[in-house]
Amino acid sequence: GQNIDQPTEMTATEGAIVQINCTYQTSGFNGLFWYQQHAGEAPTFLSYNVLDGLEEKGRFSSFLSRSKGYSYLLLKELQMKDSASYLCAVTTNAGKSTFGDGTTLTVKP
Amino acid sequence: DAGVTQSPTHLIKTRGQHVTLRCSPISGHKSVSWYQQVLGQGPQFIFQYYEKEERGRGNFPDRFSARQFPNYSSELNVNALLLGDSALYLCASSLGVLQETQYFGPGTRLLVL
Repeated sequence: GQNIDQPTEMTATEGAIVQINCTYQTSGFNGLFWYQQHAGEAPTFLSYNVLDGLEEKGRFSSFLSRSKGYSYLLLKELQMKDSASYLCAVTTNAGKSTFGDGTTLTVKP
Repeated sequence: DAGVTQSPTHLIKTRGQHVTLRCSPISGHKSVSWYQQVLGQGPQFIFQYYEKEERGRGNFPDRFSARQFPNYSSELNVNALLLGDSALYLCASSLGVLQETQYFGPGTRLLVL
């Protein structure tokens, strides 16, 4: 089966940088996604990593190491609106997706 | 362009009933995936359909079934509802079968009493 672990909660200060880690165990790995989900809303796509390395998109960056089963999401210049749940998800070649339970990030002034 | 749409937005059923949830993907997207999200947890994968065929299935009982139509819209059916089926049901569409860049609809919130 597949297993995804990410911290349950994190707190950071407005303007700071925060790194949310995700470790996974899976067979037939195809890619890793990060999503943002505000309370009561659907997840919105942030990033997709297939190969090892860092993908940068504005204030958000995502890193993947397939050999270590490890990814992180880096959020820079934190804003209050970044307070949300951040979901790590892995897809396999068999067409199956597995999500972690999410990391609830609270940004404080 | 319209995003992923789902209907209904909210639904209340009683135990033992049947429910049908509907999803229309983004125009041009051929893959639709269904997820169940219970409060405080991440979405749990139920099905993926691509070109009207089931391409992936999560660990859900046979009470859950789905299909995809020629226009790529999809239905999720749940029979013999249980209290534990109360959840947010999310539909996500993507261009291809490998689910790269999935876009989620607003979800259907199902309450089973």
